[in-house]
Amino acid sequence: AQKITQTQPGMFVQEKEAVTLDCTYDTSDQSYGLFWYKQPSSGEMIFLIYQGSYDEQNATEGRYSLNFQKARKSANLVISASQLGDSAMYFCAMREGDTDKLIFGTGTRLQVFP
Amino acid sequence: NAGVMQNPRHLVRRRGQEARLRCSPMKGHSHVYWYRQLPEEGLKFMVYLQKENIIDESGMPKERFSAEFPKEGPSILRIQQVVRGDSAAYFCASSLQGGSTDTQYFGPGTRLTVL
Repeated sequence: AQKITQTQPGMFVQEKEAVTLDCTYDTSDQSYGLFWYKQPSSGEMIFLIYQGSYDEQNATEGRYSLNFQKARKSANLVISASQLGDSAMYFCAMREGDTDKLIFGTGTRLQVFP
Repeated sequence: NAGVMQNPRHLVRRRGQEARLRCSPMKGHSHVYWYRQLPEEGLKFMVYLQKENIIDESGMPKERFSAEFPKEGPSILRIQQVVRGDSAAYFCASSLQGGSTDTQYFGPGTRLTVL
């Protein structure tokens, strides 16, 4: 069973607008972590934001926020005020309670246009 | 540069040769992870190491692949007798403590091309 699902292969957004990238996950563990990474065309993986399963507040990091809905098992990334430099692949990942490996989704390619 | 270092950034090998990929974790990090990314796919876990120990190698192919993280020096991912299907980007990540809440920081990756 797929653990992390990103249903949007590609998204377009206009500069300065907000965009939401979807991520749903599947786990039976009570303790887990959810992560978002950005991969620009240059190829590196850049950590963006983290949400712990016990965190009551949604995580925020600058223009990035994570819309965490535990009951629905979703962890959507919201990028506010999009910039051209936000164009990249975005990966959602999960790390379950007693393992250390990250499980990645298939990614969403975001294109920001002027 | 205090980030995760990987070298080489690009590696070209002919079928049957050996590939050695190196990873130096962030300063103070003792947990190292290797992932592989095939074109147009997400990253797939390969192996998790701490100094001198392999903790989880559940994602490593049984043959031709090995990894180490010696007491001194970088972590090494070795692929013997490479085949075309080994062509991929190999990423190393490091973390401070391990565990589900600890963030893994990635290096820039090594892009392996097998001719």
